[in-house]
Amino acid sequence: AQSVTQLDSQVPVFEEAPVELRCNYSSSVSVYLFWYVQYPNQGLQLLLKYLSGSTLVKGINGFEAEFNKSQTSFHLRKPSVHISDTAEYFCAVSGGNQAGTALIFGKGTTLSVSS
Amino acid sequence: NAGVMQNPRHLVRRRGQEARLRCSPMKGHSHVYWYRQLPEEGLKFMVYLQKENIIDESGMPKERFSAEFPKEGPSILRIQQVVRGDSAAYFCASSPKSVSYEQYFGPGTRLTVT
Repeated sequence: AQSVTQLDSQVPVFEEAPVELRCNYSSSVSVYLFWYVQYPNQGLQLLLKYLSGSTLVKGINGFEAEFNKSQTSFHLRKPSVHISDTAEYFCAVSGGNQAGTALIFGKGTTLSVSS
Repeated sequence: NAGVMQNPRHLVRRRGQEARLRCSPMKGHSHVYWYRQLPEEGLKFMVYLQKENIIDESGMPKERFSAEFPKEGPSILRIQQVVRGDSAAYFCASSPKSVSYEQYFGPGTRLTVT
């Protein structure tokens, strides 16, 4: 069975500081990995995804993530955050080549950016 | 191209009533997933449907919950005899094909049971 652990429930940072949101997964099969962002009272927006190929994935809004198979991690990073990045961030995993598999989400990390 | 639509956005029901949540997938998408987000939790998969078929309902509670995706019209998630524990945000996602990496999420329906 697959699972996702987001190691920090809350991450407070100051504007323009770098940030890393940590995600570890467990799976016995090859996986696809995702990061989604949820702004208050809104749905989920895909930030980036890893399917195969280069382990460094670039997404929207200046975010990037690195897939590390040996450490089963997929940490999300941004070199300089803005107030508008304040939101809930979810890491998710799905079975790589299995048709129609649902996404399995972590519990989320609340990123709070202050000035 | 309109995104995934869900309605209502907010729904209040008294204990024992029925809740009916609707999801209109993106144009051209024939695959729908329903997820539930409880307070302070991530999203949990409930059910995966294709037009007129339930493909995977392994995440659905055994009682009171049902889902359908008819040939015409939106997908419906129905909760009968709601209880306080059903209060949550319910999200649907649609996909153009049977793969997990192209799921587009709607804005969700926030159900409150009083």
